[in-house]
Amino acid sequence: DIQMTQSPSTLSASVGDRVTITCRASQSISSWLAWYQQKPGKAPKLLIYKALSLESGVPSRFSGSGSGTEFTLTISSLQPDDFATYYCQQFNSFSATFGQGTKVEIK
Amino acid sequence: QLQLQESGPGLVKPSETLSLTCTVSGGSISSSSYYWGWIRQPPGTGLEWIGSLYYSGSTYYNPSLKSRVTISVDTSKNQFSLKLTSVTAADTAVYYCARVVRVVYGMDVWGQGTTVTVSS
Repeated sequence: DIQMTQSPSTLSASVGDRVTITCRASQSISSWLAWYQQKPGKAPKLLIYKALSLESGVPSRFSGSGSGTEFTLTISSLQPDDFATYYCQQFNSFSATFGQGTKVEIK
Repeated sequence: QLQLQESGPGLVKPSETLSLTCTVSGGSISSSSYYWGWIRQPPGTGLEWIGSLYYSGSTYYNPSLKSRVTISVDTSKNQFSLKLTSVTAADTAVYYCARVVRVVYGMDVWGQGTTVTVSS
């Protein structure tokens, strides 16, 4: 099984901060990685697919990078609407494991 | 636009079988560009992928659940279903269905989720 490890688990930040979340895969997954945002009581929302492609309608302050085993999600200037939990998900060899999540809190 | 809606019992007894259906509206489940998946989220914890299927009936499952899970499709009703056998309290969760773009491009449309509690 491919394991996905996100860091940090929790992140405290202020509006306007640049925020980076890391996701590491236990083996290479090429660029088959997606990032999601989830708010309490809601379904996840796709932000990034194929490691760096921005989903339609997602603000450009969100960006993704990486390949192989290490990936990052960056929010260039944190906005009030961005306080949420973020998950990575790998798609490789017909599996689709999620990372454990990173909660972005107000500092 | 495409919408997904989960349905099924909200309460299941331990050792019984959990059965849920996802109804796809505003589009065809038989599109060649998409797979369809089930995901769950136990209270206060993260997301767990359960399994995915193609409209042809081809499936792939989370190895940790594979022995208890069956995902199937009914193209005539534009629905796909989840069965999870021998449930315990650990299977209590919000269950989501979602559309998977081209197998590897992410889950771009989600249902609102349905809460299933396992309790006697």
